[in-house]
Amino acid sequence: QQQVKQSPQSLIVQKGGISIINCAYENTAFDYFPWYQQFPGKGPALLIAIRPDVSEKKEGRFTISFNKSAKQFSLHIMDSQPGDSATYFCAATAFVSGTYKYIFGTGTRLKVLA
Amino acid sequence: NAGVTQTPKFQVLKTGQSMTLQCAQDMNHEYMSWYRQDPGMGLRLIHYSVGAGITDQGEVPNGYNVSRSTTEDFPLRLLSAAPSQTSVYFCASARASSYNSPLHFGNGTRLTVT
Repeated sequence: QQQVKQSPQSLIVQKGGISIINCAYENTAFDYFPWYQQFPGKGPALLIAIRPDVSEKKEGRFTISFNKSAKQFSLHIMDSQPGDSATYFCAATAFVSGTYKYIFGTGTRLKVLA
Repeated sequence: NAGVTQTPKFQVLKTGQSMTLQCAQDMNHEYMSWYRQDPGMGLRLIHYSVGAGITDQGEVPNGYNVSRSTTEDFPLRLLSAAPSQTSVYFCASARASSYNSPLHFGNGTRLTVT
């Protein structure tokens, strides 16, 4: 089953707080797990990504934690800022029929209060 | 560098009308795809292509048609629009052969079918 389940659907965080978005997958063929950030009126853009042989990846205030045995991964936004208010999508990719296929989660709408 | 360009930005159709959503990329990407974004449903793949002359169906292909005559262009055709096709449509491209090649999205076409 090629599905990626994402939660929560929406999230409100105070400025300076930690935002946490969780995703879970079933297909063990997935081998790359990117997160995309989407601002209103724009297309999604790559934020940060991880491979399953790494348990954590950090870029600035954004961290992906990856649990291969549980088939779960999460995005942590430290010191959340109003400018982080956006929709976040987790995704998973697998090489199928000669190309990489991307499966997206359902998205999390984050609002950071000033 | 334009990236992925989608036209039009907005469109209103009556049920039964046909139209073509345009997508062009200038990054020489082999892989191009169309997604629709609906509230609570995330990004769902409609059709994709791994090169000129090669197309394949995604998760929700019914009611849509695609062709890929050049590397740069990947138009999406709605043959007979239905209210269920009201959505925001995104075109995305990537290098086909690399696991960590991110999807580059256009800024979307918001389609309303009345």
